[in-house]
Amino acid sequence: LAKTTQPISMDSYEGQEVNITCSHNNIATNDYITWYQQFPSQGPRFIIQGYKTKVTNEVASLFIPADRKSSTLSLPRVSLSDTAVYYCLALRGSARQLTFGSGTQLTVLP
Amino acid sequence: EAGVVQSPRYKIIEKKQPVAFWCNPISGHNTLYWYRQNLGQGPELLIRYENEEAVDDSQLPKDRFSAERLKGVDSTLKIQPAELGDSAVYLCASSLRTAYNEQFFGPGTRLTVL
Repeated sequence: LAKTTQPISMDSYEGQEVNITCSHNNIATNDYITWYQQFPSQGPRFIIQGYKTKVTNEVASLFIPADRKSSTLSLPRVSLSDTAVYYCLALRGSARQLTFGSGTQLTVLP
Repeated sequence: EAGVVQSPRYKIIEKKQPVAFWCNPISGHNTLYWYRQNLGQGPELLIRYENEEAVDDSQLPKDRFSAERLKGVDSTLKIQPAELGDSAVYLCASSLRTAYNEQFFGPGTRLTVL
């Protein structure tokens, strides 16, 4: 089963913009890219979802290039409370199986 | 509005014993998911239901795992017999309709098999 690929970890400082990229080869034409955030001892929480180009909500932006083989989650002006694991999710392949990426541990430093 | 409810939150059993997890999704959500999450890894889908129908159970180890969602509302995931490698957090999630929709996760059940 192919999996999405993300950096294992990233560090940032408060107030900076953070960009996390996810690679998802073999994504199907109608599949959506979804990002989740997870704090310790909690279930993941939805952040944003998109199909192509750019999507923005009150907490993040999602950039998906034309070939849709990757996506970038952008968190503007992060704070200490954004320290968490971030997962990229895509409906993958012909079996349309839900696959979470390996996750990126984001640590925001003061 | 109540979120996804799971019980128990923690369970410790000895290997070869059976164990069951219960999940009550958000009211009105047709799609229900069970995931397993090992330490340091992302959630792995075990089974997905749309109403009463299991539409994706390709990653459910059917020799020891079973699940049911008889009335299309709450669901039970069972392991019998449990093995040491089953120690993990078992997450339940629900969404309004299809797998495209935002999933709402419960807090999970942490299973420890001794």
